[in-house]
Amino acid sequence: DTGVSQNPRHKITKRGQNVTFRCDPISEHNRLYWYRQTLGQGPEFLTYFQNEAQLEKSRLLSDRFSAERPKGSFSTLEIQRTEQGDSAMYLCASSAPRVATNEKLFFGSGTQLSVL
Amino acid sequence: DQQVKQNSPSLSVQEGRISILNCDYTNSMFDYFLWYKKYPAEGPTFLISISSIKDKNEDGRFTVFLNKSAKHLSLHIVPSQPGDSAVYFCAAKGSQGNLIFGKGTKLSVKP
Repeated sequence: DTGVSQNPRHKITKRGQNVTFRCDPISEHNRLYWYRQTLGQGPEFLTYFQNEAQLEKSRLLSDRFSAERPKGSFSTLEIQRTEQGDSAMYLCASSAPRVATNEKLFFGSGTQLSVL
Repeated sequence: DQQVKQNSPSLSVQEGRISILNCDYTNSMFDYFLWYKKYPAEGPTFLISISSIKDKNEDGRFTVFLNKSAKHLSLHIVPSQPGDSAVYFCAAKGSQGNLIFGKGTKLSVKP
């Protein structure tokens, strides 16, 4: 399977705990994105990496959130001191931009986080 | 302030008929648009895209139309099939290559 892989698929945690999600992008893709989706909303952009460099962060990404992509391959998203409002589907996507402006993002199946 | 808007939360059509999903955007600098399809508990999957230099792109049963002057695009599915039942998201490509999504339209195709 050469698609985007996310682990775990589901995470249930208690408020105040830390959680970490992992994303393995498609191997030749140098761009990696994190999105969050809540019920009734479209995916909302959180942050993006080009290789190992984190190039943009949304204002949605509070100080409790941190993302890394240490070797330009897999990425982790950590949420510290989780709150009930963090409950959402966290989606990872990757892409390989070409010379032309047309590119598409390939999404993983997401990690569904429930904060009790 | 939503830059990409899908004003119809849901749409129901009969199998074999045409489905038309609509999308409006506010930023005239957007130059590339995509439609994604999403099933429950799965990530969005790419369906079709269009560059702003075109007004139509067709792929099998799926056609996307772009009206730049109206900042409007639509996705036509014909003929609609029950397997097309899903949530459809319209997205515009932002300056960093990230996608800006609408809230989605849930399509139900009834046999």
